Amino acid sequence: AQSVTQPDARVTVSEGASLQLRCKYSYSGTPYLFWYVQYPRQGLQLLLKYYSGDPVVQGVNGFEAEFIKSNSSFHLRKASVHWSDSAVYFCAVRGNSNNRIFFGDGTQLVVKP
Amino acid sequence: NSKVIQTPRYLVKGQGQKAKMRCIPEKGHPVVFWYQQNKNNEFKFLINFQNQEVLQQIDMTEKRFSAECPSNSPCSLEIQSSEAGDSALYLCASSPQGAGNTLYFGEGSRLIVV
Repeated sequence: AQSVTQPDARVTVSEGASLQLRCKYSYSGTPYLFWYVQYPRQGLQLLLKYYSGDPVVQGVNGFEAEFIKSNSSFHLRKASVHWSDSAVYFCAVRGNSNNRIFFGDGTQLVVKP
Repeated sequence: NSKVIQTPRYLVKGQGQKAKMRCIPEKGHPVVFWYQQNKNNEFKFLINFQNQEVLQQIDMTEKRFSAECPSNSPCSLEIQSSEAGDSALYLCASSPQGAGNTLYFGEGSRLIVV
């Protein structure tokens, strides 16, 4: 069965600091992995996606994520956060068909000035 | 800006009333999903379509919801008799045909059942 775990419900960092949001997934095959961001009162926006190739994938707004197969992880990183990065971040996994995407419960990121 | 258009953004219904939401998928995307996001940010898959055909749906959707994606018309999701527990953000997403393609989400329709 597919599942995603985001162990940190809330992360608080200072503006300009580096960031890592953790994600672990469970999937028997080779997964498609995603990070989405949700700003208040909005839908989900795609940050980045990984399926194969270089395990470090670049996304929008300076975000990147690293796929570590041995650890079943897909952590999101950013070198220097901005106050506008405050939002809820969701890690997701999708299998090899038109089936559903499975989401983690999200991590609320708070960036302090 | 999202190319998946959802209407209305907000709807308030009394218990037992019908609640209908619509979604126009991104042009060229034959696969459409509906998810329910509760106040704890948990996502529940409801149903998905490929063109006009249902691919998968959960038991709750089969019993209390009706959904369709007719050709040349918006997709829709309707709760036949709203319950308090249905209060949530309903997200529509569309995707190109093919394995593992990205889901593109609309802004959502927020349902409040009073």
